[in-house]
Amino acid sequence: EAGVAQSPRYKIIEKRQSVAFWCNPISGHATLYWYQQILGQGPKLLIQFQNNGVVDDSQLPKDRFSAERLKGVDSTLKIQPAKLEDSAVYLCASSSPDRGEYGYTFGSGTRLTVV
Amino acid sequence: KQEVTQIPAALSVPEGENLVLNCSFTDSAIYNLQWFRQDPGKGLTSLLLIQSSQREQTSGRLNASLDKSSGRSTLYIAASQPGDSATYLCAVNLGQAGTALIFGKGTTLSVSS
Repeated sequence: EAGVAQSPRYKIIEKRQSVAFWCNPISGHATLYWYQQILGQGPKLLIQFQNNGVVDDSQLPKDRFSAERLKGVDSTLKIQPAKLEDSAVYLCASSSPDRGEYGYTFGSGTRLTVV
Repeated sequence: KQEVTQIPAALSVPEGENLVLNCSFTDSAIYNLQWFRQDPGKGLTSLLLIQSSQREQTSGRLNASLDKSSGRSTLYIAASQPGDSATYLCAVNLGQAGTALIFGKGTTLSVSS
């Protein structure tokens, strides 16, 4: 079974620029999550999708961050404009509790550096 | 608000030593608890998942226990090896399956040969 795919692996941008990250979850996983992990911290949830609907986006800075999951499969997370404090690893994960699979599978992440 | 704390923040041990990593959470109403491993610059690898009704789970040299009433979990690593060097993260799942995980800050383990 293929894992959670993320791209790009690394991205360096200047502040005020925009950036987008892509995630393809495990096939058939209805639930998709985007987490932000700042250096030295545990991952923090940004947004959770169930199929193509948003379940929880309470911690998403909506003035600059947006995310979509069209067709309930892959997802894109965008930052516009980026700030220095957005430098972090952005992790995508998927799960399938509807199929009795209670674990979470994470992708390798995208490391963003804002200069 | 659920908070997850991991102690110690960092740990250095010689190869072959048995060790325990600690995780505590403030709200005992969890659905399950999961331990992850994170290598530098990499994503998270799931190690063990304990449902709220379970007391422990084992995988090879790893054993995770859960005491939900006291809000504690431990990860026991037997006969540590240099390849075990990584950051270990504890995460709890509130409410029901499919809700987002709440993570601790992790314990960074270094095993010297």
